[in-house]
Amino acid sequence: KAGVTQTPRYLIKTRGQQVTLSCSPISGHRSVSWYQQTPGQGLQFLFEYFSETQRNKGNFPGRFSGRQFSNSRSEMNVSTLELGDSALYLCASTKGWGYGEETQYFGPGTRLLVL
Amino acid sequence: KQEVTQIPAALSVPEGENLVLNCSFTDSAIYNLQWFRQDPGKGLTSLLLIQSSQREQTSGRLNASLDKSSGRSTLYIAASQPGDSATYLCAVSPLTSGSRLTFGEGTQLTVNP
Repeated sequence: KAGVTQTPRYLIKTRGQQVTLSCSPISGHRSVSWYQQTPGQGLQFLFEYFSETQRNKGNFPGRFSGRQFSNSRSEMNVSTLELGDSALYLCASTKGWGYGEETQYFGPGTRLLVL
Repeated sequence: KQEVTQIPAALSVPEGENLVLNCSFTDSAIYNLQWFRQDPGKGLTSLLLIQSSQREQTSGRLNASLDKSSGRSTLYIAASQPGDSATYLCAVSPLTSGSRLTFGEGTQLTVNP
């Protein structure tokens, strides 16, 4: 069974640009969550999508957005990049039906560097 | 606001030693608590999930306990090996928004041969 995949694995952008990251969940999983990991702030929740709808949202500015497609693949977009957006972006998937029992399976992450 | 704290921040032990990692959380209204492992520059690997109604879970040399009333969890690693070297993270799933995991800062473990 294939795991969670994320593309691209590495990205270098400059301030002001925008970026789109992609996440393909485990087959059969309908929930995708996104997290930002930085040395200073640790792992922080961005948002969760379930059946193409945003179900939960973290405390990030509107520059961070996402969407989910009918095949459960998800993308997140960051517009007007800032230096502080440099981070490892992780996505995780679950079946999405039962919070108590479900492990979140994480992908390898996308390393974004903003210059 | 849920806060998760992990102690110690770093730990270095000789191979073969048994060790305990600690995790505490401020709000006991949780679905579950999970322990993850992260190797440098990599994603997270799930180790154990303890549902709020459970007291412990075991997988191989790993045993995790949960005391929801006191807001504490421990991860016990038996007979540590150099391959166990990694950062260990605990995370809680709140009742208010189950998918929104709140993570601790992690314990960086080094097992010396």
